[in-house]
Amino acid sequence: IVLTQSPGTLSLSPGERATLSCRASQVLTSDYLAWYQQKPGQAPRLLISFASIRATGIPDRFSGSGSGTDFTLTISSLEPEDFAVYYCQQYGHSPLTFGGGTKVDI
Amino acid sequence: QVQLQESGPGLVKPSETLSVTCTVSGGSLDGYYWSWVRQPPGKGLEWLGYVYFTGITNYNPSLESRISMSVDTSKNQFSLKLTSVTAADTALYFCARREWGDYWGQGILVTVSS
Repeated sequence: IVLTQSPGTLSLSPGERATLSCRASQVLTSDYLAWYQQKPGQAPRLLISFASIRATGIPDRFSGSGSGTDFTLTISSLEPEDFAVYYCQQYGHSPLTFGGGTKVDI
Repeated sequence: QVQLQESGPGLVKPSETLSVTCTVSGGSLDGYYWSWVRQPPGKGLEWLGYVYFTGITNYNPSLESRISMSVDTSKNQFSLKLTSVTAADTALYFCARREWGDYWGQGILVTVSS
């Protein structure tokens, strides 16, 4: 399954709303989709699993939605620490696959 | 708090075997799938495969002829081996818990070069 993330880069300011898209080439089983945040030199950090379930300790400004083939990560009001690269991943079909990433920058 | 730590050689010669071990602390291997993901410098994430605590594996078909994974529950470790490496295998190698990574290691940079 190919995951296509858009846009490639999102240029926003602190306080603005960010909407990131992840489109799958096939319907995902049971919404087995995760979102990660990655900062330079760090491992990915799980934000969302099962399309909409926030991981432990993740602020509620992060939310995931969608089903089938179209999924969205929304950051309601950007904080300075949110500027990073975001990846989606599907884990319902083997081989598991990642999207190409969306960079959120200032 | 579960923590994962990768270890292994940072430099591997072309055609040789890359070996990385992930040590898990603060939790058991039991009941979980344990994943390997890599990231070439400046590029995106690639899923390599996962190993269940019982030893059952699932590999990325693009690497299936060269890759193997195993677990050692007595040491709370799991391992990755990649044979016949080339420069294209140069990457940051991460280990993670579950098919969706709820906990990750910090990653280890493995460079393939003579």
